[in-house]
Amino acid sequence: GDSVTQMEGPVTLSEEAFLTINCTYTATGYPSLFWYVQYPGEGLQLLLKATKADDKGSNKGFEATYRKETTSFHLEKGSVQVSDSAVYFCALTYFNKFYFGSGTKLNVKP
Amino acid sequence: GAVVSQHPSRVICKSGTSVKIECRSLDFQATTMFWYRQFPKQSLMLMATSNEGSKATYEQGVEKDKFLINHASLTLSTLTVTSAHPEDSSFYICSAQQDENSPLHFGNGTRLTVT
Repeated sequence: GDSVTQMEGPVTLSEEAFLTINCTYTATGYPSLFWYVQYPGEGLQLLLKATKADDKGSNKGFEATYRKETTSFHLEKGSVQVSDSAVYFCALTYFNKFYFGSGTKLNVKP
Repeated sequence: GAVVSQHPSRVICKSGTSVKIECRSLDFQATTMFWYRQFPKQSLMLMATSNEGSKATYEQGVEKDKFLINHASLTLSTLTVTSAHPEDSSFYICSAQQDENSPLHFGNGTRLTVT
C-alpha cells in the first residue's frame, strides 16, 4: 500500500548549517507530496507541496523536489535558524487519503 | 491562508466524564475533516475521517462509541471523548480539507489530560 518513510531524528544542527531531511514514498499511482512543520505545542502547518514529478515546492527558505525516479521528496534548507527547531512531517495524498511519515525532530543550536 | 480553529487548546477532566473538542474551518468550507491522535515521539495516528452530513469512518482499532464524531456543517466537526480514562490522555489534532485536491489544514491541537 501507499506509505511514507522519513529519516529518524532527532537531527541536531548548528545555526547556519545545511539541512537535509530524507523522505521516500511508496505509491501505486501519482500522489501529491507535502512537508508539514509542527512547532512545540502546536498543530501542523503546511510548509510546502508538489503535485507532480519534477515540481519543486519552496517556502521560507525550505525546498523539496518531487523525484519520481527515486520516489523521494527530500527537504532541504541552505542555512537553518534556531527558529526552525520543530518536527517535520513528510506526507502524501492519493485518492483523498493522507499518509504521514513518523516525523523528524530538528534541533537548531545557536 | 486557510485557517482551522480547534478548541479548547487544553482540557483537564476527571475519569468517567466526557469532553467535547471542536474543530472549525474559519475561511473555507471543509468537505472532509480528519481527527488524529498524536503519541509521544510525535507519531500521528489517524482516528477517523468525517464528511459533512454523513457518519464518520473510523480507522481500525478506534472505538466509535468512545470517540464520537459529528460533522454537522461544512465548517464544524466535533470529537467527543466519552467516559474518559487516563489512557485517553493525549494530544488530539483535527484537520480540514476543502476538496480532495487540496492540502490538509490543521488545528493547533487539544491537550487532553484525564485525572
